[in-house]
Amino acid sequence: DVKVTQSSRYLVKRTGEKVFLECVQDMDHENMFWYRQDPGLGLRLIYFSYDVKMKEKGDIPEGYSVSREKKERFSLILESASTNQTSMYLCASRSTSYEQYFGPGTRLTVT
Amino acid sequence: QQQVKQSPQSLIVQKGGIPIINCAYENTAFDYFPWYQQFPGKGPALLIAIRPDVSEKKEGRFTISFNKSAKQFSLHIMDSQPGDSATYFCAARGFQKLVFGTGTRLLVSP
Repeated sequence: DVKVTQSSRYLVKRTGEKVFLECVQDMDHENMFWYRQDPGLGLRLIYFSYDVKMKEKGDIPEGYSVSREKKERFSLILESASTNQTSMYLCASRSTSYEQYFGPGTRLTVT
Repeated sequence: QQQVKQSPQSLIVQKGGIPIINCAYENTAFDYFPWYQQFPGKGPALLIAIRPDVSEKKEGRFTISFNKSAKQFSLHIMDSQPGDSATYFCAARGFQKLVFGTGTRLLVSP
């Protein structure tokens, strides 16, 4: 079974803190993605990566950065967390086929 | 042009009913149309998908109908069960990325 794991299920951070969200996949997939999910807005793509050390901006990259030093790991970084970044964050991975696999999500609250 | 419009936002049906969720798109470059199912506390999981050269695809109780000329596609759930209660997302793939609809929360009452 494909497995995408995320480091935390729930996270509470203060405004201004630097936040790291970690994602690991065990299927040797080339492509990895970070989305945020908000009620009524669906899933919006923040960043994606199609290879180690490669990254591409998605639809809403402002306030976020990413890191992919190893093929299996893709990190999302909030440089200075703000309350409008309170959301559910979903990581996904995909091979060269079309199917995309999601992790369980991290619910981040910024106070 | 990169949007996928999904309706309705929420849907309540009785057990055995046939809920239908609709999606529409503009970008003719989209080449793959999956539906994802998400239960509370879980990430979305692929349910069923279709390519634009096919007008219908069935997998068990789930059917996608695809109308290329109208740029619309829909999900039908036959003989719906309470266990089908979840949020459903349509999506379309273009330029290596999936574009998601806003989701439909389905409740199947016993």
